[in-house]
Amino acid sequence: DAKTTQPPSMDCAEGRAANLPCNHSTISGNEYVYWYRQIHSQGPQYIIHGLKNNETNEMASLIITEDRKSSTLILPHATLRDTAVYYCIVRGLNSGYSTLTFGKGTMLLVSP
Amino acid sequence: EAGVTQFPSHSVIEKGQTVTLRCDPISGHDNLYWYRRVMGKEIKFLLHFVKESKQDESGMPNNRFLAERTGGTYSTLKVQPAELEDSGVYFCASSPTGSYNEQFFGPGTRLTVL
Repeated sequence: DAKTTQPPSMDCAEGRAANLPCNHSTISGNEYVYWYRQIHSQGPQYIIHGLKNNETNEMASLIITEDRKSSTLILPHATLRDTAVYYCIVRGLNSGYSTLTFGKGTMLLVSP
Repeated sequence: EAGVTQFPSHSVIEKGQTVTLRCDPISGHDNLYWYRRVMGKEIKFLLHFVKESKQDESGMPNNRFLAERTGGTYSTLKVQPAELEDSGVYFCASSPTGSYNEQFFGPGTRLTVL
């Protein structure tokens, strides 16, 4: 699977939008971009995924660049409960579509 | 709908002992996965069941680890004998049939080997 690169940490003020970047320059055409997060002492939680079109759900929006080499996860109005480690994961044929390969992720700290 | 549950939440054992972790997936989910995070490391895949069959066990670290899923429902992960480096958090996840479905994770079992 393609490797992803994320900043180790980011800060965001409560109520503001949190924009978390991810680089995946070696992504191939059949690989999806997934985002998960892990709140302290809990299991990872699915947020959103996409192939090439931008996606939005009740939790977040995912913006994928036209060349698919990078993406941004947007939490439109961050709350204190969004403080977590956010993982950008590329998943596709090479993993048998099954496994998730977690990197170090981005530690997002939302402050009052 | 009940989520993925894991038992126990914590386990403290001595080196050389045996521990069995249990995972109950979401009802109806054919896919069941085990992952773990050892101290200071990233979350790593261990293995994947489809119903009762092992689809991929490439992440199992060695033969001290044995996973089973009899009847295609709950799964157990046995570590025998446990070593110090096995300490960490063991996560179970499940997903319904379908290649790109999201995986739902349990809260994890924290294993400490002394």
